[in-house]
Amino acid sequence: DGGITQSPKYLFRKEGQNVTLSCEQNLNHDAMYWYRQDPGQGLRLIYYSQIVNDFQKGDIAEGYSVSREKKESFPLTVTSAQKNPTAFYLCASSERLAGPYEQYFGPGTRLTVT
Amino acid sequence: AQSVSQHNHHVILSEAASLELGCNYSYGGTVNLFWYVQYPGQHLQLLLKYFSGDPLVKGIKGFEAEFIKSKFSFNLRKPSVQWSDTAEYFCAVIPYGGATNKLIFGTGTLLAVQP
Repeated sequence: DGGITQSPKYLFRKEGQNVTLSCEQNLNHDAMYWYRQDPGQGLRLIYYSQIVNDFQKGDIAEGYSVSREKKESFPLTVTSAQKNPTAFYLCASSERLAGPYEQYFGPGTRLTVT
Repeated sequence: AQSVSQHNHHVILSEAASLELGCNYSYGGTVNLFWYVQYPGQHLQLLLKYFSGDPLVKGIKGFEAEFIKSKFSFNLRKPSVQWSDTAEYFCAVIPYGGATNKLIFGTGTLLAVQP
């Protein structure tokens, strides 16, 4: 089955610790994205990547970092600098970055920082 | 800045009632429009999309949406809802011709259908 996997489904961390969320896709898509979903705020773009070894900041990149060393993988690190990290994180991919391409979403990771 | 507005945050309907969820966007140029749905415990998935052509778009599970360019709107409709339609619905826009396929999401509408 083609799709996007995110792990783990639930993640708990202590304040001050960095944490990395995994995102893998086997759709052979060039573009990948990370969104953050908070109640009543919809989805907000954190980072996106057009191609391997390239990524760009989205609307709320502060306190986050990413890498794109492989086409299939786009991990997101939530650093201790992120002031309000508790949220639901969604990874997505699309065939290309520019153009009318549908984005496919993973199941999400719910991060709780205490 | 471009934005998407969904004015209904919570909607409660009885089964068989008709549904219309509003979506307005602020962008003067050509747009690609989407409705996504998130059923409880499931992935966000595409309900329907508009790129060009007939402004009345039909999606999965009996949903449809109408693009009215003059009103900057893309309202979602279903003539008769079912309990299984209980979900959160997101409208999203991509300004056409931009450098990135960046989706701009609305804040979502939580629909609860009572049996």
